[in-house]
Amino acid sequence: EVQLVESGGGLVQPGGSLRVSCAASGFTFSSYWMHWVRQAPGKGLVWVSRINSDGSSTSYVDSVKGRFTISRDNAKNTLYLQMNSLRAEDTAVYYCAREGLGGGFDPWGQGTLVTVSS
Amino acid sequence: QSVLTQPPSASATPGQRVTISCSGSSSNIGSYHAFWYQQLPGRAPKLLIYNNNQRPSGVPDRFSGSKSGTSASLAISGLRSEDEADYYCAAWDDSLRGPVFGGGSKLTVL
Repeated sequence: EVQLVESGGGLVQPGGSLRVSCAASGFTFSSYWMHWVRQAPGKGLVWVSRINSDGSSTSYVDSVKGRFTISRDNAKNTLYLQMNSLRAEDTAVYYCAREGLGGGFDPWGQGTLVTVSS
Repeated sequence: QSVLTQPPSASATPGQRVTISCSGSSSNIGSYHAFWYQQLPGRAPKLLIYNNNQRPSGVPDRFSGSKSGTSASLAISGLRSEDEADYYCAAWDDSLRGPVFGGGSKLTVL
């Protein structure tokens, strides 16, 4: 079964750092581009970042550029999002997703909640 | 304000057909494929439609997608109570140089 499981969310103070992870199983992780998408409480989906299959190319939404870093360890089948200089507006559930059919996101993980508050 | 515009809500009774629209521009839907995602309450999103009108394996044929110009639509026929969810459209956007989502449409099955 293709599965993505996020971990590492929690409560962090403004200006702090946090790294969330996404463990992949059931497919050849190293063959797929991967993405992070976030959803603030009661709000819609916002794409955050993507990384190509070998980790050599990344891109970010403007609001996180210079603060967030996406990476992957293909030997460990794990995707990461390092988040620095966190702000209250970064509070959200962070989902990882595999880029699959036609470029669509499938599947998605269950999400991990990041709360930025003092 | 989302780049892709969806109605915030839609409703219909069981068995009816409902359509949800997604309006974009030449930099997104007008140039690229549209996607639709279903998010059941408290759950992660799920891919429902890819490449404008294709269904992943396991998605019932009650769900269909279409695209015309800079707009896309999701139609659900034979509505069921379990279809009550939030629905999001998405597409690549040249201006933002990344995928963009609509604001989401909350479907209520009356």
